[in-house]
Amino acid sequence: DGGITQSPKYLFRKEGQNVTLSCEQNLNHDAMYWYRQDPGQGLRLIYYSQIVNDFQKGDIAEGYSVSREKKESFPLTVTSAQKNPTAFYLCASSIGSRAVRVSSYNEQFFGPGTRLTVL
Amino acid sequence: GQNIDQPTEMTATEGAIVQINCTYQTSGFNGLFWYQQHAGEAPTFLSYNVLDGLEEKGRFSSFLSRSKGYSYLLLKELQMKDSASYLCAVRRNYGQNFVFGPGTRLSVLP
Repeated sequence: DGGITQSPKYLFRKEGQNVTLSCEQNLNHDAMYWYRQDPGQGLRLIYYSQIVNDFQKGDIAEGYSVSREKKESFPLTVTSAQKNPTAFYLCASSIGSRAVRVSSYNEQFFGPGTRLTVL
Repeated sequence: GQNIDQPTEMTATEGAIVQINCTYQTSGFNGLFWYQQHAGEAPTFLSYNVLDGLEEKGRFSSFLSRSKGYSYLLLKELQMKDSASYLCAVRRNYGQNFVFGPGTRLSVLP
């Protein structure tokens, strides 16, 4: 079955440590995204990538880093520079700009999320 | 700047109809999406509008007015399982990035 996976589901980190969240998709999608969701709030874009070896900062990129070495994978590193990292992290993918036409949905498909807690 | 507004919470009765509104002001517009998100789970796609008017999909319909920066999601014949948060999202013109509203938490009561 095609889909998008994230691991781990729950992650605990001590202050001052970097941690990497995994995101893998087998949907053959070009575009991938990372969002952060805080309690009672909507999703905020951290980073996105439209193609392999290229990525762009979203609205809240400070304290985060990403890589896109393979089409299927878009890992997110939460660095010690991120002041308030405790949140629910969601990864998503979509076909990408090559498929965007007026009649195209090109909606995002989301992974199950990783809940990160800093102790 | 980017701004999307939705009511924070709504309550409705099983079997009723509810309308969830969304207003947006974004730098560019290339489609508006509605997602459903149950607590602790990933959002799932419900509907998409890029042209003005109403799109119907079973019990769910979504309306868009680009000139007013306004959309709504209409849920008919409400069921208990419809209790969830409903997220409005706009795809901006540049790149393929999206901006999400804060979500509306809907509670369906028996």
